[in-house]
Amino acid sequence: DTEVTQTPKHLVMGMTNKKSLKCEQHMGHRAMYWYKQKAKKPPELMFVYSYEKLSINESVPSRFSPECPNSSLLNLHLHALQPEDSALYLCASSQAQGGAGELFFGEGSRLTVL
Amino acid sequence: EDKVVQSPLSLVVHEGDTVTLNCSYEVTNFRSLLWYKQEKKAPTFLFMLTSSGIEKKSGRLSSILDKKELFSILNITATQTGDSAVYLCAVRQGAQKLVFGQGTRLTINP
Repeated sequence: DTEVTQTPKHLVMGMTNKKSLKCEQHMGHRAMYWYKQKAKKPPELMFVYSYEKLSINESVPSRFSPECPNSSLLNLHLHALQPEDSALYLCASSQAQGGAGELFFGEGSRLTVL
Repeated sequence: EDKVVQSPLSLVVHEGDTVTLNCSYEVTNFRSLLWYKQEKKAPTFLFMLTSSGIEKKSGRLSSILDKKELFSILNITATQTGDSAVYLCAVRQGAQKLVFGQGTRLTINP
């Protein structure tokens, strides 16, 4: 199973809503990532979890709150977002830190903030 | 500042043509260079390169890395309309960080 599964595929939310994006992998990977991708731009790193601990936060605003409940799951909690936060949010996983290996990406959650 | 630069940004060719996509990089703590293909959604992995001068090949696609000159190329021969996509070059920086280039949007016309 080489899949990273993201839900929901599409999400529309108002600026006062609270919602969550979910990501799951069963490849035994111990590093998981959130990327944000705006239209016609490359993915930009937001957060990295390694062994369920947050290891990189790329100065992401606190209205985005990541959570890694266990080694297979990664959540991104959203609160009080702005319209400019509308984007494709990609989850990825890779083998444990120290490797040079590839990231496996999910299909993304397309978020629209009204 | 770490950067990954791809060229061209956009390319339109006819089916059957051969294309070469370029990626240059300046990053600290280089671990590997990766190529991804992105159609509508998730980037899908093509190649990972860690050593200079060793060509990686998969069907009509091939790639090579030059760690002295800090660049890589991705070649696609006998292009097909299904090759139309954005091709992303990314550099693995340290253990966890993957820095992407802007991508090359490739369009193959029948």
